[in-house]
Amino acid sequence: QLQLQESGPGLVKPSETLSLTCTVSGGSISSSSYYWGWIRQPPGKGLEWIGSIYYSGSTYYNPSLKSRVTISVDTSKNQFSLKLSSVTAADTAVYYCARGYSGYCSGGSCYFLDYWGQGTLVTVSS
Amino acid sequence: SSELTQDPAVSVALGQTVRITCQGDSLRSYYASWYQQKPGQAPVLVIYGKNNRPSGIPDRFSGSSSGNTASLTITGAQAEDEADYYCNSRDSSGNLVFGGGTKLTVL
Repeated sequence: QLQLQESGPGLVKPSETLSLTCTVSGGSISSSSYYWGWIRQPPGKGLEWIGSIYYSGSTYYNPSLKSRVTISVDTSKNQFSLKLSSVTAADTAVYYCARGYSGYCSGGSCYFLDYWGQGTLVTVSS
Repeated sequence: SSELTQDPAVSVALGQTVRITCQGDSLRSYYASWYQQKPGQAPVLVIYGKNNRPSGIPDRFSGSSSGNTASLTITGAQAEDEADYYCNSRDSSGNLVFGGGTKLTVL
């Protein structure tokens, strides 16, 4: 059974860089059928996609966050990471990592997130 | 990037059928996926593709799509189905997008 676990500081100061790591167990992060993503959820609000990284190394970022986001993969540790720079209180949220599938299914193009971490709350405050 | 629009709240009587919809231009090209989220928990994938359920998801959950609208139907809603539901797809640029979520109340 695939498991994902987020880790990193729960408190970050304004203007600093938020750094989180997602450790994948029970499967390889190098599988060509999947991609790896970060999603966040501010308290009481909906889900927001932050960005994704494919096994090829290609990255896709939410246009609204693109200038501040970097997602990378460490295949030797079976981990992928998120860096979000210049944070403000608006970046306070539960941050989730997830595995995504991108490909053909049901006679069409499918994109879905089938495994999620439990989420970690990151608060931006001085 | 493309947007996905959901009704903020929907209610259904216990045992009845409810449909939750998601609208967006990207749904003309890509299937939506649907997620159930209960308070304090991570989202759970309930429907993907044309109408596929991951292992462990009850068959009362089903999906459909027509034009720019994707739908999640719960046939015979149970008390444990009360949750927030989110649709998700991608746009032509490869970016993922979530709908704003629908809060389902089971009466």
